Amino acid sequence: AQKVTQAQTEISVVEKEDVTLDCVYETRDTTYYLFWYKQPPSGELVFLIRRNSFDEQNEISGRYSWNFQKSTSSFNFTITASQVVDSAVYFCAFEDSSYKLIFGSGTRLLVRP
Amino acid sequence: NAGVTQTPKFQVLKTGQSMTLQCAQDMNHEYMSWYRQDPGMGLRLIHYSVGAGITDQGEVPNGYNVSRSTTEDFPLRLLSAAPSQTSVYFCASSYEADRLGAFFGQGTRLTVV
Repeated sequence: AQKVTQAQTEISVVEKEDVTLDCVYETRDTTYYLFWYKQPPSGELVFLIRRNSFDEQNEISGRYSWNFQKSTSSFNFTITASQVVDSAVYFCAFEDSSYKLIFGSGTRLLVRP
Repeated sequence: NAGVTQTPKFQVLKTGQSMTLQCAQDMNHEYMSWYRQDPGMGLRLIHYSVGAGITDQGEVPNGYNVSRSTTEDFPLRLLSAAPSQTSVYFCASSYEADRLGAFFGQGTRLTVV
């Protein structure tokens, strides 16, 4: 069965520190998609990035970067120079071939001024 | 373009009452799904639909019914509310070809007393 594990329950950093959120997934599928979502205190879910299983090229978008390693089944997310506004719960998710999303339990990030 | 619209945003029910959570999307997405979010557990899939007239169960379907008579609407029915159904409910829709990631509604916070 598919499974997504976010081992870090809560992370606290001081503003301007870099922070990496870990995500490990389990699947026997060869074709799948991985996602990161952000849930700020207001409660909505904000889509951050999608990566398919055939594209291991890492990506940088502003202060965000993602490291996808198929060999270790990991899809980690790094925020560079964190800001207070980055404080939120971050979810990693796996999408199988039937378009069902399976979420990790989330990592709560607190960025202190 | 409203995206995914959920109503109501908040609801309090008494045990045993029934109600319908509404979800509508205006993006002509084929795939729609319902999730519940409980503290520390991430989001779990309740039911999903791959098109009008087609629905299937997710991870936690007991106590919930769905139907998909149109592409736009995907209501979630609680048949006889129980305190264990106190949760935040999210509706999502996805477009097959792009697989951009699910678009989520704003959520419905349901309390069953």
